[in-house]
Amino acid sequence: GEDVEQSLFLSVREGDSSVINCTYTDSSSTYLYWYKQEPGAGLQLLTYIFSNMDMKQDQRLTVLLNKKDKHLSLRIADTQTGDSAIYFCAEIETGKLIFGQGTTLQVKP
Amino acid sequence: EAGVAQSPRYKIIEKRQSVAFWCNPISGHATLYWYQQILGQGPKLLIQFQNNGVVDDSQLPKDRFSAERLKGVDSTLKIQPAKLEDSAVYLCASSPEATGYEAFFGQGTRLTVV
Repeated sequence: GEDVEQSLFLSVREGDSSVINCTYTDSSSTYLYWYKQEPGAGLQLLTYIFSNMDMKQDQRLTVLLNKKDKHLSLRIADTQTGDSAIYFCAEIETGKLIFGQGTTLQVKP
Repeated sequence: EAGVAQSPRYKIIEKRQSVAFWCNPISGHATLYWYQQILGQGPKLLIQFQNNGVVDDSQLPKDRFSAERLKGVDSTLKIQPAKLEDSAVYLCASSPEATGYEAFFGQGTRLTVV
C-alpha cells in the first residue's frame, strides 16, 4: 500500500548537522526524492537518488538509502536558519509520486 | 524558464458552493498532476494527466471533483459542491516525464470552505 512515513519534527542549532529520516513501502520504486517546502510556497525538489545507489552527495546534502530496510535519510551539513522548512520524502509507486507527511525542521540561531 | 502558474492564490467559499482552479504547466511538459495538501499533511495525489489523457484518478472524489486538461496544456480542477473538509492547498505540478522525476510545483491555491 501507499505509506511513506517520516518523523514530524526536528530541532537543531545553527551549524549542527540535521538528519531527517523516512521509511517507504514500495520496494520497486526506481527513484526516491527529497522536497523542501517553505511557508506559503510550493514544493521544491532538493535532491533524488536512484534505487541502485546507496549514497548521493550534493554540496551540503547527503542522501543515504538502505533498500533492505526501505529507509531513506537526508543529512544537511552546517544547517543554516534558511534551511528551516518542511521536508518531504517521496517515492514513485505504480507511476505515482507519493509523499510522506513531512518533517518540520526548526533551526535555532 | 517560466514556472508552473496557478490561480487564484487564495479562495474562500461557503460550503455547497462551486470553485475552480486553474493551472498552466511549464511549456513542453507532458505530465500534469493535481495534489491536495491538507494542513499538517503531505500532498495527496488527486489526478495525473499524460498529455490530455488521464493516467490515474483513483484518489479523486468523483462525486464532487472533476478535472480536465484541454489540448494537453492548461488544466482546471473543479469542486462542486464544496464541503468543509475540502479546505486545503491545491498544488499543481508538471514533469517532462511520466515517472515524476523532476516534478515542478506551482505555489498552490489555498481554499477555505466556511
